[in-house]
Amino acid sequence: NAGVTQTPKFRILKIGQSMTLQCTQDMNHNYMYWYRQDPGMGLKLIYYSVGAGITDKGEVPNGYNVSRSTTEDFPLRLELAAPSQTSVYFCASSAGLAGTYNEQFFGPGTRLTVL
Amino acid sequence: AQSVTQLDSHVSVSEGTPVLLRCNYSSSYSPSLFWYVQHPNKGLQLLLKYTSAATLVKGINGFEAEFKKSETSFHLTKPSAHMSDAAEYFCVVSPYGGATNKLIFGTGTLLAVQP
Repeated sequence: NAGVTQTPKFRILKIGQSMTLQCTQDMNHNYMYWYRQDPGMGLKLIYYSVGAGITDKGEVPNGYNVSRSTTEDFPLRLELAAPSQTSVYFCASSAGLAGTYNEQFFGPGTRLTVL
Repeated sequence: AQSVTQLDSHVSVSEGTPVLLRCNYSSSYSPSLFWYVQHPNKGLQLLLKYTSAATLVKGINGFEAEFKKSETSFHLTKPSAHMSDAAEYFCVVSPYGGATNKLIFGTGTLLAVQP
């Protein structure tokens, strides 16, 4: 059971480039999330999804896009990379609403640097 | 407004001594509360969660936390620290009575364990 997997582990982008961060879970969870973690800060929610075809904005969605065509996959797209997007990105999934005591399972993260 | 404050950014203890990581929250509703742990270069893992069934919550690896409504606190404790406990710990609150996917993460407490 792999849980939540993310690729790539590391990436360096130039300003203005685009990329997609991949996230896959094999637990058949309906709920999936993208967070970013900046040094000395807690995680901030970027986008989340409550099922295939349904996504919604979190706290810091600007500069990002998501899609959810299958239950398993929830890719995060950066269209025009900016230095402010340098961060560690975590994907997570849960069986139900995160707030109602449902454990979130996290991937190992993608460390992104934009120069 | 809903918020969570971790009172110490760094805590250092000796192996075998007690651990106390402090967390205060602010919520207009009866909150859901969690502690997550993040080991270096890993994703977050759930330690324990407050479900309102009992104010003293036991988690994995010997950790426990006590919900104190009068003090709006949810401090994490362990009687005897182990070297493997060295990690970053996040206190997390779910506002709106839990009916949300938008969790609020504290800024984290880095626990160092000295031999």
